[in-house]
Amino acid sequence: GENVEQHPSTLSVQEGDSAVIKCTYSDSASNYFPWYKQELGKRPQLIIDIRSNVGEKKDQRIAVTLNKTAKHFSLHITETQPEDSAVYFCAASVRSGGGADGLTFGKGTHLIIQP
Amino acid sequence: DTEVTQTPKHLVMGMTNKKSLKCEQHMGHRAMYWYKQKAKKPPELMFVYSYEKLSINESVPSRFSPECPNSSLLNLHLHALQPEDSALYLCASSQVRYMAQYFGPGTRLLVL
Repeated sequence: GENVEQHPSTLSVQEGDSAVIKCTYSDSASNYFPWYKQELGKRPQLIIDIRSNVGEKKDQRIAVTLNKTAKHFSLHITETQPEDSAVYFCAASVRSGGGADGLTFGKGTHLIIQP
Repeated sequence: DTEVTQTPKHLVMGMTNKKSLKCEQHMGHRAMYWYKQKAKKPPELMFVYSYEKLSINESVPSRFSPECPNSSLLNLHLHALQPEDSALYLCASSQVRYMAQYFGPGTRLLVL
């Protein structure tokens, strides 16, 4: 099955600086890559996603890049703000052995924005 | 409206109990999912219900059984659970497969 590796596990940046989180995936058939933000005690919230036919996507301060050849994708957050502090998960679409089309998640990155 | 609702918010049950978790979406989505999330871990896929077909993650024990009464509802029936099943159970839905998934607030389950 699919395996998604995510780094770093913890990232601390100064407010206003940029943050980059990186993920790699194993299944070359994966074609959909979302990013979720999860604050403590809350649901995962979709913040941006990208498909395998696109190399880059941007939404205000957030951007995602995808390198299909290398099987890695990254989340970039610019001009970080205190409210960006949360756990961020990358994910890849996958077919399980039973034919399910769910998501395989990376282990998460705890992003800490220092004031 | 990207709203998925789940009930109950919290559930405490004994190992001999039978209970059900409920999930509902009114977005006309055709795919719904159950995930399990342990503390400080990512969500893990349990089941997918898509186009009236159920798909199961083979690692999920049979004490969990999903039911889809209609296209907007997805239940998860729990029976003879173990303490290690204590977790946050998240429901999600997407318009179709391979589209963005939106999560409900989850049911926090404690098995004693």
